[in-house]
Amino acid sequence: GENVEQHPSTLSVQEGDSAVIKCTYSDSASNYFPWYKQELGKRPQLIIDIRSNVGEKKDQRIAVTLNKTAKHFSLHITETQPEDSAVYFCTYAGGTSYGKLTFGQGTILTVHP
Amino acid sequence: NAGVMQNPRHLVRRRGQEARLRCSPMKGHSHVYWYRQLPEEGLKFMVYLQKENIIDESGMPKERFSAEFPKEGPSILRIQQVVRGDSAAYFCASSPLTSGTDTQYFGPGTRLTVL
Repeated sequence: GENVEQHPSTLSVQEGDSAVIKCTYSDSASNYFPWYKQELGKRPQLIIDIRSNVGEKKDQRIAVTLNKTAKHFSLHITETQPEDSAVYFCTYAGGTSYGKLTFGQGTILTVHP
Repeated sequence: NAGVMQNPRHLVRRRGQEARLRCSPMKGHSHVYWYRQLPEEGLKFMVYLQKENIIDESGMPKERFSAEFPKEGPSILRIQQVVRGDSAAYFCASSPLTSGTDTQYFGPGTRLTVL
């Protein structure tokens, strides 16, 4: 069935450092890979997404890479700021998961000033 | 342009009562998804609906749970005879779904507490 493994479960960095979160998925037919940020008590918010026809996408301090052969995708945040502190979820859709999103377990990112 | 709306934001029920959660998608979106989030866990897919149709309910418990998205009005997730294990945050998301993998925008959630 659909499954995505996300690591690490917690990540603590100093302000200005980079943060990397990695995910591995099971459905090789998946073709859409969004990342969501969720602050405590709030809704998940899309921060960046990538489709299977590209290997990398960048938006200011945030970048996502996709390796379809290895079924890996990663989120990179550079120059982290305290307001980046939140829970980050990798997700995927498409293939046998048509329409629905399958979520990773989440990474609690803490950025210390 | 209003985003996805959900109400109520908080709902308290006693065991055995019914819970009714509502979701109004973004304007122009005709596809709705419901997800459940237990404390300190990720979101789990429950059901995917289009207007008047259930497309995928593979994540929904077979008993006590039902969902609908009528031609007019919001989508409704209904939980009958609630139990303590139903306590969770229930999020709905909507998309225009022109490609099968359109961006999903989430509502603020309904936090259900079962006493």
